[in-house]
Amino acid sequence: GAGVSQTPSNKVTEKGKYVELRCDPISGHTALYWYRQSLGQGPEFLIYFQGTGAADDSGLPNDRFFAVRPEGSVSTLKIQRTERGDSAVYLCASSSVQGDEQFFGPGTRLTVL
Amino acid sequence: DQQVKQNSPSLSVQEGRISILNCDYTNSMFDYFLWYKKYPAEGPTFLISISSIKDKNEDGRFTVFLNKSAKHLSLHIVPSQPGDSAVYFCAASSEGSNYKLTFGKGTLLTVNP
Repeated sequence: GAGVSQTPSNKVTEKGKYVELRCDPISGHTALYWYRQSLGQGPEFLIYFQGTGAADDSGLPNDRFFAVRPEGSVSTLKIQRTERGDSAVYLCASSSVQGDEQFFGPGTRLTVL
Repeated sequence: DQQVKQNSPSLSVQEGRISILNCDYTNSMFDYFLWYKKYPAEGPTFLISISSIKDKNEDGRFTVFLNKSAKHLSLHIVPSQPGDSAVYFCAASSEGSNYKLTFGKGTLLTVNP
């Protein structure tokens, strides 16, 4: 594809459930970032991958959040025991190398009931 | 504590006039600043950036000014067009923080025909 894609576009779940959010970066991009945007706020950094490894996970709010990128391309953000406060738009961005322009996907809107 | 601040939640201008969006930051380690534009239900789109070694960068109708001593940057759009109506996010990063982006809360720009 031409750009970053994210699936699903919308996810509604119940409190306490487990969810997975997927990001397909632009082909060949080695750097991948996850951000979370709550209502009325700007995006907030969650985690950064360089290749397959999580180089910086300082933005993950707690241990219910985890992300993987096993083959250095697609990434999955995993949230366990979801809470209502996890409701937000989860954005993924990729760049060809660290420091280059970050291209964002359309986001996944997560709603926890 | 917000490290990047956009104090104007909204701005309304007439078509053809200049739009000036402002941004302040507190972290002196930031050395790269960006403006992103966001339409509803889409991810942020990169607009223009500036390195801390410069005080001005221009790209067509868009100019970003950086005042390091005041820790302030601004985005000028001239002439403004109705298609410019969107939310504009100011963001900052540094090599030392893996270029993860720290965003402001955004400013909703409305350009009236």
